[in-house]
Amino acid sequence: GEDVEQSLFLSVREGDSSVINCTYTDSSSTYLYWYKQEPGAGLQLLTYIFSNMDMKQDQRLTVLLNKKDKHLSLRIADTQTGDSAIYFCAESIQGTGRRALTFGSGTRLQVQP
Amino acid sequence: DVKVTQSSRYLVKRTGEKVFLECVQDMDHENMFWYRQDPGLGLRLIYFSYDVKMKEKGDIPEGYSVSREKKERFSLILESASTNQTSMYLCASRASGAMANEKLFFGSGTQLSVL
Repeated sequence: GEDVEQSLFLSVREGDSSVINCTYTDSSSTYLYWYKQEPGAGLQLLTYIFSNMDMKQDQRLTVLLNKKDKHLSLRIADTQTGDSAIYFCAESIQGTGRRALTFGSGTRLQVQP
Repeated sequence: DVKVTQSSRYLVKRTGEKVFLECVQDMDHENMFWYRQDPGLGLRLIYFSYDVKMKEKGDIPEGYSVSREKKERFSLILESASTNQTSMYLCASRASGAMANEKLFFGSGTQLSVL
């Protein structure tokens, strides 16, 4: 079945690195995504990784995928107050045709000045 | 940039009312989706549509229906609103095609309160 889990809250100090973790259960996931939701807004795609990759880096963002453990993480280097938001991981499942993504419950990142 | 517009940012309705939530996208996307977002539960899929007049149930369709008469517009209907439908409702769209295009584009959400 499809199940994506995240911790609900993370607090870091400005300038530190943040690591947001996610676990998923479906081994046939094809793509895994990180979305960001700022207060009062919809979700915006931050980055995504194909399931045959281990790592993807995009400026301050590093995505690590451990397919054996079904574990995905998002590292934000030099975290800024503007990074305060809710971060959702999501998976797409091969063979679900037109189905949309399955989302985790979201991790609220609070950045302390 | 893709724009997904939800007609209302905040909505307050009474129990038993019929409620329409409207969503419009401007990128000719085939696929449109309605999610609800609740604290600690993340996003749950209510309904989606992959073409005009086509719809499929998501994970929590009970108490909802949808309408897709035109490609750009996808409406969510609460036939008889109940207090447990108080939530943030998010509309999303995406193009059809290869798996790499499964990126969803979201509207800014409608916070519905049912009293």
